[in-house]
Amino acid sequence: DQQVKQNSPSLSVQEGRISILNCDYTNSMFDYFLWYKKYPAEGPTFLISISSIKDKNEDGRFTVFLNKSAKHLSLHIVPSQPGDSAVYFCAGSGGGADGLTFGKGTHLIIQP
Amino acid sequence: DTAVSQTPKYLVTQMGNDKSIKCEQNLGHDTMYWYKQDSKKFLKIMFSYNNKELIINETVPNRFSPKSPDKAHLNLHINSLELGDSAVYFCASSQDHLEAFFGQGTRLTVV
Repeated sequence: DQQVKQNSPSLSVQEGRISILNCDYTNSMFDYFLWYKKYPAEGPTFLISISSIKDKNEDGRFTVFLNKSAKHLSLHIVPSQPGDSAVYFCAGSGGGADGLTFGKGTHLIIQP
Repeated sequence: DTAVSQTPKYLVTQMGNDKSIKCEQNLGHDTMYWYKQDSKKFLKIMFSYNNKELIINETVPNRFSPKSPDKAHLNLHINSLELGDSAVYFCASSQDHLEAFFGQGTRLTVV
């Protein structure tokens, strides 16, 4: 039972354009959502998060949008840069000590 | 100065052996975790440890046991290793159960 789904295994975007990564969730108890970025042979690194009481959070080139009624969130990266090529994981948290529930990840490839 | 460090980075061992993976965090966080990334790339929580309270994912076999000598360490012990235990194991820590900081991972291969 996947509580967090990232339906696009990979996404290819041209350098300088906008990258949009999508994530859907089924658990209504999640009150916090996070995006992580992962390079090969490294651990995931925290990128940006959003509380369930907000619909947008922005940090530099990264913006996360939350549509609670649709149980959908997206990560926008603009402009996309070569160093953004990585696997991006969406995660939900119920705020307790149960840890994060991750999606399967989307491999973002930025083409020059 | 690494925030969350785990050793070893690679571990190759035979079926039936017992092994340990060490994890240390210098962030002063209250909660530490172990996650497993399997061959299908799913990252799943195995354990959460906070103030001597252990929360276990019910799908984790009891051959896996976390040990915390102090707040900064959460080691993972695995008994009677099986082929299916081959995966990448990540240690993480967090404060207030929000953003988790991850170690670089330990790739365990059971042969």
